[in-house]
Amino acid sequence: NAGVTQTPKFRVLKTGQSMTLLCAQDMNHEYMYWYRQDPGMGLRLIHYSVGEGTTAKGEVPDGYNVSRLKKQNFLLGLESAAPSQTSVYFCASSPAHTGELFFGEGSRLTVL
Amino acid sequence: GQQVMQIPQYQHVQEGEDFTTYCNSSTTLSNIQWYKQRPGGHPVFLIQLVKSGEVKKQKRLTFQFGEAKKNSSLHITATQTTDVGTYFCAGSTSGTYKYIFGTGTRLKVLA
Repeated sequence: NAGVTQTPKFRVLKTGQSMTLLCAQDMNHEYMYWYRQDPGMGLRLIHYSVGEGTTAKGEVPDGYNVSRLKKQNFLLGLESAAPSQTSVYFCASSPAHTGELFFGEGSRLTVL
Repeated sequence: GQQVMQIPQYQHVQEGEDFTTYCNSSTTLSNIQWYKQRPGGHPVFLIQLVKSGEVKKQKRLTFQFGEAKKNSSLHITATQTTDVGTYFCAGSTSGTYKYIFGTGTRLKVLA
């Protein structure tokens, strides 16, 4: 049972490039989340989804887009990467009835 | 928007000393969760509190949810080196499913 899997784990981009982070969960969870973690700022919610085909904005959504075409996958896209998006990105999923978040191991993104 | 603050930001303790971190929300919460993140790792769920004034214990860890459901605390009795990490609270408001995390408290335990 893999839980929450994030790919890629590391990526270096140049300013202006685009990329997609993939989050896959095999626990049949309804809710999925994307957070970014920066030193001294904790975890900040980018976007989240409460079900297949639905997404909503979090605290810091600008510069990111998301899609949840399948229940088990939640994609985070950067259309035109900026140095300010250098961060560690965490995906999490949650069953609707408990609220407990299960996190992936993180994806470290560097934008030069 | 909803904001969640934690204090202190850092705490160094000698092994065996107690440790407390406090979490304060700008809005009333429907529930609050606590997570632990080891250095280089990902956050791991510890507990969820739902009721006003609720107190829960897990071995040496005691969690409290304030009467007004706007603050919470985590207390560790007799810290051990295995307690090292960053502790986060995360709250959600009624009718939403988004969890806003606090800024975290980084705990170092000196042997």
